[in-house]
Formats: sequence, structure tokens, C-alpha cells
Amino acid sequence: QVQLQESGPGLVKPSQTLSLTCTVSGGSISSGSYYWSWIRQPAGKGLEWIGRIYSSGSTNYNPSLKSRVTISVDTSKNQFSLKLSYVTAADTAVYYCARLYSGTGRFDIWGQGTMVTVSS
Amino acid sequence: DIQMTQSPSSLSASVGDRVTITCQASQDITNYLNWYQQKPGKAPKLLIYDASNLETGVPSRFSGSGSGTDFTFTISSLQPEDIATYYCQQYDNLPFTFGPGTKVDIK
Repeated sequence: QVQLQESGPGLVKPSQTLSLTCTVSGGSISSGSYYWSWIRQPAGKGLEWIGRIYSSGSTNYNPSLKSRVTISVDTSKNQFSLKLSYVTAADTAVYYCARLYSGTGRFDIWGQGTMVTVSS
Repeated sequence: DIQMTQSPSSLSASVGDRVTITCQASQDITNYLNWYQQKPGKAPKLLIYDASNLETGVPSRFSGSGSGTDFTFTISSLQPEDIATYYCQQYDNLPFTFGPGTKVDIK
């Protein structure tokens, strides 16, 4: 059974870079049927898709964040990562990693989420 | 970006009631729509994909319908464990976008 687990600092200073990693267990990140995505949710608000990566390293980003986002994959560690630069308080949110079934665009497996607060 | 709207934003219903949520896309997305359930403090859970297909293991009281720009999500008989916020999500075009959510409570 595939599971995803986010990890990374819970507190980031304004203007710095937020860095999170998602570790995939119970299956290979190189499985051809899936993309791997990041989604965030500010407290009490809705869900915002950040971007996705394929095991080959091919990426797509939300244009609203594209200038600040980098998603990368490390197949040897079965992990993928998120970097969001020049963060502000508006980037404070729960960040989820999720498996995206490319055939239907559905996020079928999610990590538990990790809270990231941007504050000095 | 494709904008997704949902109505109502919240509702209260009794156990056993039929609950219906609507989702509207700002343009035709054929049937490229999914529904998720999110309980407080938890990650979203996929319930319905491709507008009307029930994800494996999801109770049959949940269903979805629609195509084009208008979609409906139904709980045929509300149960206490269904208290959650429900989101629609389109995948016709990048970026993927979600509706604002519908919070369902027990009356």
C-alpha cells in the first residue's frame, strides 16, 4: 500500500526559501502511471495546486507560483521535493504531497500534510 | 484558469437525509471532474472521479453526475461520519483547480 509522508521545517522566515520533501513508501516513484504533486491549503481556506513532476523530471507548475517554485525528484531515494522561494505570510499553509493518477487527473493518495508558517 | 464554484457553501441536514452539492465550471470540462471529502485536520480523500465513478472502497451512498459545466454530488442517506467539507476539482486544463468547498454538518 503506497503511503506518502511530508517532511521539512515548520517555520520559515519571510523572503527565505521553503523546502519540503515527500517520501513515497510501499511503491516506486518511478511507476509509469503517476505524477507526483504538491497542493497547499491555508488555514480555513480551500486547496491550491502547486505543481507536479513525473519520474523523468518533467514538471508543470501553477502559473500563479511558477516564478518561485521548483519541484524535483530523487528516484534513488523514492522522494520528491518542493522549493518555494521568497516566501511571505501568504505562503503560510498546510502543504500536502499527493499521487496524481495521470490517466484521470485524480489525486488518489495524499500525505497527511505538514504545516508551514512564514514568520520572523 | 478554469474557475470552479460550489453551492451551497455550507449546509445542515439530518441523519438519513439526501444531500446534494452542485459544482459549476467556468467553461466546458466534459467529465474531467473529481470530488473529495476532507475531515477536520485530515488530508482530502478521493470519493468520485471522472464525474460519476466511485473510487474503490467508497460507500455507495456517495454518487456524482453531470458533464460540461454543471455537476452534482449526492449523499443518498447522510451518516454522522459524513461530516466534512467536500471539494470538486477539474483536470481538463492546467492548472488543476478546486472549488471553494461545501461544509456539511448534522442538524
